[in-house]
Formats: sequence, structure tokens, C-alpha cells
Amino acid sequence: DAGITQSPRHKVTETGTPVTLRCHQTENHRYMYWYRQDPGHGLRLIHYSYGVKDTDKGEVSDGYSVSRSKTEDFLLTLESATSSQTSVYFCAISERQDFGYTFGSGTRLTVV
Amino acid sequence: SQQGEEDPQALSIQEGENATMNCSYKTSINNLQWYRQNSGRGLVHLILIRSNEREKHSGRLRVTLDTSKKSSSLLITASRAADTASYFCATVYSGGGADGLTFGKGTHLIIQP
Repeated sequence: DAGITQSPRHKVTETGTPVTLRCHQTENHRYMYWYRQDPGHGLRLIHYSYGVKDTDKGEVSDGYSVSRSKTEDFLLTLESATSSQTSVYFCAISERQDFGYTFGSGTRLTVV
Repeated sequence: SQQGEEDPQALSIQEGENATMNCSYKTSINNLQWYRQNSGRGLVHLILIRSNEREKHSGRLRVTLDTSKKSSSLLITASRAADTASYFCATVYSGGGADGLTFGKGTHLIIQP
């Protein structure tokens, strides 16, 4: 999607390994979000950021950490991947927290 | 837990017919938004309706909001095959904070040609 890119698009990793997913935006939006999407659960918020170095936990943050050292980049790290973290991960950006979001195309992560 | 719940979970109609999806939510909200997701893609923002609005239109889309019933509906008129997708409602809690949208589980819409 225009203005927001996620990398990688697909990744297969082994249980116990660390994994980092990247979200990059060119819109200079203040707010960035990481969601995971699983069948039967819809989208659930993992972590969010409301500015450089300002982050907070969402509904399903256990096993995940984030960092935002620049406005344009929001990194999601799985410290030690587990099979339960197999999912599709979406990043989203917003100019204000009560505005519409722009979503990235997603990262499909498989933990084997 | 999920804030919004869409109904029905799945809907199949003929091309040209109207499609109606409903969303119920639990807490007071600042606004409610609808998103579309095509298979294998990210979500696309369709429309936002604020808590002080009752109805909003955008092209073939019509959204209503009833805050007394904590519910919203999305109507797609004159459906097309390209409307086949999953549709999600999402709410912004009125209590403030930066934790943004809470999504429902979605309605999967299939338009039969």
C-alpha cells in the first residue's frame, strides 16, 4: 500500500529463534500499530507507538517487543518464536489515533 | 477481547443485490470505522462515522450508527463481483488513549456473478 511497506512478506522460522519484522512508512504519521490476524480471532493489537521511542502494549503483547527509533520505522521482534506465533502480521499507520488507518500488505510468518 | 462483533459471519448474494452487514460493540465510542480486506491483502479503510453522526454515505456505501443500541450497519448497494471480500468494523474508544482501533472478526461477503 502506498506510503507503508512491510518486510519480509513471508518468513519461515524455527521455534526458539528470534525474528524481527519491519514496518516502514513515508507518510510521517505519528501513530504506528502492529496487529496479528488469525482465523476466528480477527485482528488483535500487539503493540503500538505514539511517537519516537514512545510505545505501549496491546491486547496480545506477551512474547513480543517493539522499537521505534525513527518516525518512519516500527520494528516488531519475537524474542523466541513459538508455534502459537504463526500468523499474519499487519502494520498500520495513522495521523491521529481517531483517524482511519492505512495498512501494510502484511507479513505471513510460519514458525515450525 | 474484541470490541465489535459483525453479523452475519458470512453472506452470499447475487450480483446487483444489496448487501447489509451489522456490527455491535460494547463500550462508548469516539467513532466507528469499516474496512475491507480482499483475500491475501491488507485492510483498506472504507468509511468513518463519528459518534454524533447517524448516517454517512460514500459512493455505493451507506453506514448508519445507533449509539443507543451500540450498533452500526454497512449497506453496499448494487453489489459487484469485485465487492467480494471480508468486511470489518472497528471502534475507537471514547475514553481517549493512543491504543486505537479494536476490530471485530469480520463478515465474509461473496458476490455470485
